[in-house]
Amino acid sequence: KQEVTQIPAALSVPEGENLVLNCSFTDSAIYNLQWFRQDPGKGLTSLLLIQSSQREQTSGRLNASLDKSSGRSTLYIAASQPGDSATYLCAVTDTGRRALTFGSGTRLQVQP
Amino acid sequence: NAGVMQNPRHLVRRRGQEARLRCSPMKGHSHVYWYRQLPEEGLKFMVYLQKENIIDESGMPKERFSAEFPKEGPSILRIQQVVRGDSAAYFCASSPPGVGDEQFFGPGTRLTVL
Repeated sequence: KQEVTQIPAALSVPEGENLVLNCSFTDSAIYNLQWFRQDPGKGLTSLLLIQSSQREQTSGRLNASLDKSSGRSTLYIAASQPGDSATYLCAVTDTGRRALTFGSGTRLQVQP
Repeated sequence: NAGVMQNPRHLVRRRGQEARLRCSPMKGHSHVYWYRQLPEEGLKFMVYLQKENIIDESGMPKERFSAEFPKEGPSILRIQQVVRGDSAAYFCASSPPGVGDEQFFGPGTRLTVL
């Protein structure tokens, strides 16, 4: 059974810092991996999708990498801003399925 | 292109009543998923549907919960005889045809059972 773990559970940084969020998964037979952002009381916003054949994806100040064989992904946020404060969720789709298995998230707070 | 739409956004029910949650996928999306987020817990998959078919219901509770995605109209998640433990945020997502495509989420329905 796939399990997704995110470290750290919470993170507080001053504005302008570069930061890395970590995600690990137990079964490397994944089809893709998605990073989401969730604001309090809101839905999920898809940030990046990495197919299993890819090593990384970039969107603006965000860069996500995938090491499928070791079961790890990182989300790099450059030059953090207070508006980046949210919970970041990592989720994987196992090969042959479409259901997403989510990690418990990293709660990020960027101090102005 | 409107995003995934869910209604109602907030729903209050008393124990024993029925709850009906609706989801309209993005235009061109034929796959719908339901997830549940219990208080202080992570998101858990419930069910995956295509038009008129349930494809994967491995995450659905065995009793009281059902889902449908009719040929016409929105997908419906139905909870019969609600209990306090059903209080949660229920999210719907949709994706276009094709395996392993990106899922886009709606704003969720927050169900409170009194």
